Amino acid sequence: GENVEQHPSTLSVQEGDSAVIKCTYSDSASNYFPWYKQELGKRPQLIIDIRSNVGEKKDQRIAVTLNKTAKHFSLHITETQPEDSAVYFCAASKGYREYQLIWGAGTKLIIKP
Amino acid sequence: DAGVTQSPTHLIKTRGQQVTLRCSPKSGHDTVSWYQQALGQGPQFIFQYYEEEERQRGNFPDRFSGHQFPNYSSELNVNALLLGDSALYLCASSLEGTGSVYFGPGTRLTVT
Repeated sequence: GENVEQHPSTLSVQEGDSAVIKCTYSDSASNYFPWYKQELGKRPQLIIDIRSNVGEKKDQRIAVTLNKTAKHFSLHITETQPEDSAVYFCAASKGYREYQLIWGAGTKLIIKP
Repeated sequence: DAGVTQSPTHLIKTRGQQVTLRCSPKSGHDTVSWYQQALGQGPQFIFQYYEEEERQRGNFPDRFSGHQFPNYSSELNVNALLLGDSALYLCASSLEGTGSVYFGPGTRLTVT
């Protein structure tokens, strides 16, 4: 079955710097890769997603890149701000009818003032 | 446009008891999934409901069961509660064929 590995488990960056979180997946049939942000005590919130027919997607300060050959995808946050501090989860799934998100273990992002 | 809602917010139960959690999906969504999230971990998929039937199931025992109603709302039932069932239970909804999943605020279950 699918397995998603996420690195690093904790990432500390200076406010204003960029942050990059990486995930690898095992099932080459996976075709949907969302990223979720979860603040302490709150629900996971979808912040950006990418499908396998696209190599990169941007939304303001957030971008996701996908390398299907290497089976890895990354989240890039530029000009980090204190409110970016949270746990970020990547996930992967295949198909749109029968899907089951397989989640990474999460990355705790700490933005230092 | 109402998002995913869940009830109750918090719940405290004793070992061996049974619990029912409820979820209303985001307006326009027809698929509901349930996840268990232990402290410090990512969500673990329990099962998914579509057209009032359980369509997929994760690695959870039969003590975990569910139901989806004609209005797409859903219930999660857990029987014979164990201490290890203490977790945040998240409901997520999506529209069939889109893949984008939206989570509810969760129900924090504590088993003592």
